[in-house]
Amino acid sequence: QKEVEQNSGPLSVPEGAIASLNCTYSDRGSQSFFWYRQYSGKSPELIMFIYSNGDKEDGRFTAQLNKASQYVSLLIRDSQPSDSATYLCAVKENSGYSTLTFGKGTMLLVSP
Amino acid sequence: EADIYQTPRYLVIGTGKKITLECSQTMGHDKMYWYQQDPGMELHLIHYSYGVNSTEKGDLSSESTVSRIRTEHFPLTLESARPSHTSQYLCASSESPSGALETQYFGPGTRLLVL
Repeated sequence: QKEVEQNSGPLSVPEGAIASLNCTYSDRGSQSFFWYRQYSGKSPELIMFIYSNGDKEDGRFTAQLNKASQYVSLLIRDSQPSDSATYLCAVKENSGYSTLTFGKGTMLLVSP
Repeated sequence: EADIYQTPRYLVIGTGKKITLECSQTMGHDKMYWYQQDPGMELHLIHYSYGVNSTEKGDLSSESTVSRIRTEHFPLTLESARPSHTSQYLCASSESPSGALETQYFGPGTRLLVL
């Protein structure tokens, strides 16, 4: 049974702070990792993906991957109230016939 | 980025009715997916397809059925709607036919309320 674990939150940070969202996964065969943002009542939208150990930066977002620890995180710098949403972590095996396994998501609240 | 369309966006229907939720994408993606999500809850994969005439059941048992006659179209049907089917249904498609670097893009969703 593949599992993706996230703290449900809410994670509360003040505007301008760094928000750190964490995700652990059980399947060592997982090869790629995705972060989606989902506003209340809306569908998930892809923020970024990572497949190599280390950091990957895209604007205010940084994804960090440590396959040995089976851990992936998302850092949001200079958090804005508009970042308030649920962040979903998803993982995938290196197979064209595997599907994404989603975590339950972490709710982030950024206060002005 | 994929263009994925779902209709209707909202549907209120009585128990026992047959309904079809439509999903279409214009990017020629081979893979398409249906997820079910209750408010504030996690996504559950209910059906997926790797191409025309290919359909598979997902992790969550569902009384719905799907078909994939055309690449761009992946409708979901409930033969007899029940209040327990009340939920949000999300369609997604992905662009890479193989390997790990496969990103899924979601449609806007259909909110279904069965009375």
